[in-house]
Amino acid sequence: AQTVTQSQPEMSVQEAETVTLSCTYDTSESDYYLFWYKQPPSRQMILVIRQEAYKQQNATENRFSVNFQKAAKSFSLKISDSQLGDAAMYFCAYRSVQGTYKYIFGTGTRLKVLA
Amino acid sequence: DAGVTQSPTHLIKTRGQQVTLRCSPISGHKSVSWYQQVLGQGPQFIFQYYEKEERGRGNFPDRFSARQFPNYSSELNVNALLLGDSALYLCASSFKAVGNTGELFFGEGSRLTVL
Repeated sequence: AQTVTQSQPEMSVQEAETVTLSCTYDTSESDYYLFWYKQPPSRQMILVIRQEAYKQQNATENRFSVNFQKAAKSFSLKISDSQLGDAAMYFCAYRSVQGTYKYIFGTGTRLKVLA
Repeated sequence: DAGVTQSPTHLIKTRGQQVTLRCSPISGHKSVSWYQQVLGQGPQFIFQYYEKEERGRGNFPDRFSARQFPNYSSELNVNALLLGDSALYLCASSFKAVGNTGELFFGEGSRLTVL
């Protein structure tokens, strides 16, 4: 069975600085998707970025980028130029390519942005 | 276009009671998934439905059931409520149920408190 681990329960970053959130996962599959979701206090999960395992190039979305290390089964999220609106819970998630859209989530990292 | 809508947003029940949670997917989306998010944890997969058929089930007891209607909306039912059922219940929709495309779009959830 696949597992997702986020070892940082909470992180803080100064506004305009850069922060990296860690995620490791375990799977025997060779093809899969990885995601970072943001959950602000409003509770709605919002997709931040996604990575296809077969792509070696790291995904980027504006200020958000990932460091995908397939052999190490590591998938970290880097947030550049942090803004107050980035404060939220961040969840790393895994989904198999085969089968249904069952997501496996980590336990989350609470990001605080300090003004 | 409206996003995924869930009702009710908050509800309080007592042990042993039954609860029904409702979800309307994004227009055009045919798949609905349900997740349970206990406080301080990541969401856990409960069910996925596509074209009114169950396509996936997580590790939850038979007290949990769901269905999908012809208009693709869905209901999650939980019988004989336990204190441990207190959680945020998230509904997510996607266009497809399987395959290499698509992502999950989440609603804001229904916060269930069992006393």
